[in-house]
Amino acid sequence: DIVMTQSPDSLAVSLGERATINCRSSQIALYSSNNKICLAWYQQKPGQPPKVLINWTSTRESGVPDRFSGSGSGTDFTLTISSLQAEDVAVYYCQQCYSTPYSFGQGTKLEIK
Amino acid sequence: EVQLVESGGGLVKSGGSLRLSCAASGFSFSDAWMNWVRQAPGKGLEWVGQIKRKSDGEATEYAAPVKGRFTISRDDSENTLNLQMNSLKIEDTAVYYCVAEYWGIIGWGQGTLVTVSS
Repeated sequence: DIVMTQSPDSLAVSLGERATINCRSSQIALYSSNNKICLAWYQQKPGQPPKVLINWTSTRESGVPDRFSGSGSGTDFTLTISSLQAEDVAVYYCQQCYSTPYSFGQGTKLEIK
Repeated sequence: EVQLVESGGGLVKSGGSLRLSCAASGFSFSDAWMNWVRQAPGKGLEWVGQIKRKSDGEATEYAAPVKGRFTISRDDSENTLNLQMNSLKIEDTAVYYCVAEYWGIIGWGQGTLVTVSS
C-alpha cells in the first residue's frame, strides 16, 4: 500500500505571505497512459466536505484561485499558496489516486499568524 | 456542475446494518469510477472503497477494515451509488462521502453521518 506523509502537521503564516505544504509518497504513482502522477490536493474547512484544489499534481481545478499551485515529481509534492488570504484557513490533504487502497496524507492545519 | 447527494445515514447499534445512497448529477455517471471516503469525528480522511464503470467490469475494491462487511454497487440507469454496510462496528462511526472520479477526482458530496452505538 502507498503511504502518504504530509509536513508540517500545522502551519501558521501571516496574511499575504507564502504557505508551503509538503507531501511525500512511499511509491511513485505514475499513470502509464498519460505519464502523469495521480496526486490530488484538497482544502477542508470546518463542517464542510473536502474541496478539490489540484488534480494530477499541478492541474488547478476550475474556479480555484491562481494563488494555489501544485508541483512535484517522483515521490515529493508541494502545495503552495502564494499570498495567504484569511479565507484560506483550513486543513489541507494530499491523496494518491494511482492504486487502491487510495491513501491520504494526515492533513496540515493552516492558520493565520 | 458535479452534484453528489448522500442519504441514508443515521444511528445504528453495533452489529447492525445500514444502506447509504448517493445521487449523482452534472456529469456522465456511467463513465465515472465512484468511491466512498469516510471521516471519523475530528480525524482525517479514509478511503473506504471503489466501484469502476461498467466497461471496466464494475470491479470493486475495499479498504481492509471494511472488506467482507461493506458492499458497493451502482445503478447507472438511476445515476445512483450505494454502500451496503453490515456488521457495523463502533469504529465505523464517521461522515461518509461519495466521491466521483473521471480522469482525476471531480467532486465530493456533502456527506452523511453514520453513528454506531453500543
